[in-house]
Amino acid sequence: KQEVTQIPAALSVPEGENLVLNCSFTDSAIYNLQWFRQDPGKGLTSLLLIQSSQREQTSGRLNASLDKSSGRSTLYIAASQPGDSATYLCAANTGNQFYFGTGTSLTVIP
Amino acid sequence: ETGVTQSPTHLIKTRGQQVTLRCSSQSGHNTVSWYQQALGQGPQFIFQYYREEENGRGNFPPRFSGLQFPNYSSELNVNALELDDSALYLCASSFGRQQETQYFGPGTRLLVL
Repeated sequence: KQEVTQIPAALSVPEGENLVLNCSFTDSAIYNLQWFRQDPGKGLTSLLLIQSSQREQTSGRLNASLDKSSGRSTLYIAASQPGDSATYLCAANTGNQFYFGTGTSLTVIP
Repeated sequence: ETGVTQSPTHLIKTRGQQVTLRCSSQSGHNTVSWYQQALGQGPQFIFQYYREEENGRGNFPPRFSGLQFPNYSSELNVNALELDDSALYLCASSFGRQQETQYFGPGTRLLVL
């Protein structure tokens, strides 16, 4: 069974700092991996999806990488802003199911 | 293009009752997945429907059941509610059997007393 782990569970950084969120998964047989953002009590907003054949994807200040062989993905956020404060979740897609980590709660301090 | 919508937004039930949650897919999507998210946890996969047929199921008991309609909207039914069923229930739609990007609705917050 696929297990997804996210480290750290919580992170607090000053505004403007670059940061990296980590996601690891136990089964490398995935179709893709998706990063989401969740604001308190809300649904999930898709940030980036990386196909299994890709190594990275970029959108604005966000860059996600994928290393299937080592079972790892990272989400890099450049020049963090207070509006980036949220919980970030990664999900590994095995074909008909996404397995989620428990998320990293990010606080960006003005 | 309309996004994924869910109803109701909040619901309070008592133990033993039954509940139906509803989800409207994003336009053009034919796959719907349902997730349960307990407080402080990541979403847990309940099941997925692709073109009106169940296409995968997570580790949830049979009292969790679902339907997908010809317009690709979907229902999640939970019978014999238990206190531990209290959670945020999320619906996600996508296109295709193996799922490309999933788009989530705002969720239904269920409280079982």
